[in-house]
Amino acid sequence: KQEVTQIPAALSVPEGENLVLNCSFTDSAIYNLQWFRQDPGKGLTSLLLIQSSQREQTSGRLNASLDKSSGRSTLYIAASQPGDSATYLCAVNQAGTALIFGKGTTLSVSS
Amino acid sequence: GAVVSQHPSWVICKSGTSVKIECRSLDFQATTMFWYRQFPKQSLMLMATSNEGSKATYEQGVEKDKFLINHASLTLSTLTVTSAHPEDSSFYICSAMGQLLTNYGYTFGSGTRLTVV
Repeated sequence: KQEVTQIPAALSVPEGENLVLNCSFTDSAIYNLQWFRQDPGKGLTSLLLIQSSQREQTSGRLNASLDKSSGRSTLYIAASQPGDSATYLCAVNQAGTALIFGKGTTLSVSS
Repeated sequence: GAVVSQHPSWVICKSGTSVKIECRSLDFQATTMFWYRQFPKQSLMLMATSNEGSKATYEQGVEKDKFLINHASLTLSTLTVTSAHPEDSSFYICSAMGQLLTNYGYTFGSGTRLTVV
């Protein structure tokens, strides 16, 4: 059974810092890996989707990498801002199946 | 494109009553709908998977008679929480998958906050 683990569970940084969020999964036979953002009491915002054949994806200040063979992904956030404060969720799936989520990393960026 | 509208966004109901949550795909055909729930400070846990026109498949530990899922059309899926109890209070969110979405992409509804009093 696929399990997704995210480290750290919580992270507090001052504005401007670069940071890395980690995600690992137990079954490397994934189709996609996706990073989401969730604000308190809100739904999900998709940040980046990496197909299994890809190594990384970038969007603005965000960069996500995937090492499928080792079952790891990282989300790199450059020049963090207070508006980046949220919970970041990592999820994986096989083709046509439901996304399996990690417990998330709650990020707090102070000004 | 690929929008899923979920209603209501929040609901408060009395213990013992039933609540229906709807998810509609607005601009694509959702062949599969996944239903999740999220307890405070926890991650999203898959409850069930439904394919249009078929009975839903429930995850272990999810009571199918309590959480009724209907996916009668390619644009509408509903989750009914029957005889709700305070322990059913949670955040419920749907996720749709359509054949035309690239790379088996998933589109999420905005979620429903259920509070049972």
